[in-house]
Amino acid sequence: KQEVTQIPAALSVPEGENLVLNCSFTDSAIYNLQWFRQDPGKGLTSLLLIQSSQREQTSGRLNASLDKSSGRSTLYIAASQPGDSATYLCAGVNFGNEKLTFGTGTRLTIIP
Amino acid sequence: NAGVMQNPRHLVRRRGQEARLRCSPMKGHSHVYWYRQLPEEGLKFMVYLQKENIIDESGMPKERFSAEFPKEGPSILRIQQVVRGDSAAYFCASSPMAANGELFFGSGTQLSVL
Repeated sequence: KQEVTQIPAALSVPEGENLVLNCSFTDSAIYNLQWFRQDPGKGLTSLLLIQSSQREQTSGRLNASLDKSSGRSTLYIAASQPGDSATYLCAGVNFGNEKLTFGTGTRLTIIP
Repeated sequence: NAGVMQNPRHLVRRRGQEARLRCSPMKGHSHVYWYRQLPEEGLKFMVYLQKENIIDESGMPKERFSAEFPKEGPSILRIQQVVRGDSAAYFCASSPMAANGELFFGSGTQLSVL
C-alpha cells in the first residue's frame, strides 16, 4: 500500500528566497507523481506531472524532480512571491492502480 | 474548454437528509474520480468511474454512499441519511481517455451537516 509523506507540515519563507518542498513515498513502483497547490477553501490546481520515465519537469519558476530509487520527489520554487502562499500537495499513482495517493501537504507562507 | 465543474459549491443538509453532489468532467474526459477531504486531513480516494461503470470503489463507505457516471449527464455522488461526520469537502477529478494521465480537479463541494 502506497503511503505519501510531506515534511514539514508548514513552512514560512521571506519573499524572494528559493525553497524546496519534500515528498516521500513508500512504494517505488510509481507510475507518475503530480504536484498540486490548494488555496484556502478552493480546489486543487495541477502544477507539474512527472512520469516514471522522467526525472524532472519544469514550469516557469517551478521545478519538480522524481527519484524512484530513494522514494522522493522535490518541488523547487525559485524567487518566491507572496502569491505562492498556499498548501502544496504531492500525489502518486502506482502501476496497476488508477487512483492518486495524496500526502497531507505543506502549508507554505511567503512573508512580504 | 471549461474545467471540471462541480455543483453545488456549498451544500447544507440536516442529519438524515440526502446529499447529491454533481460533477461534469472536462470535455473529452471519460474518467472520473471522487475524493473527500476532511478538516485538517489529506484527500482520500473514494471511487473511480468510467462512463456507466464503477471501476474502483474501494474508498467508499459500505453504507449510505453511492456514485454513478451515466452515459449522458454528470457524475453523481449520493449520500443518504447524512450524519455530521459526512461534513467535508468533496472533490471530483477527471482525466482523458488514457488511464493514469494527469488529473484535473474541480473546485469541490463543501458539505455541511447540521
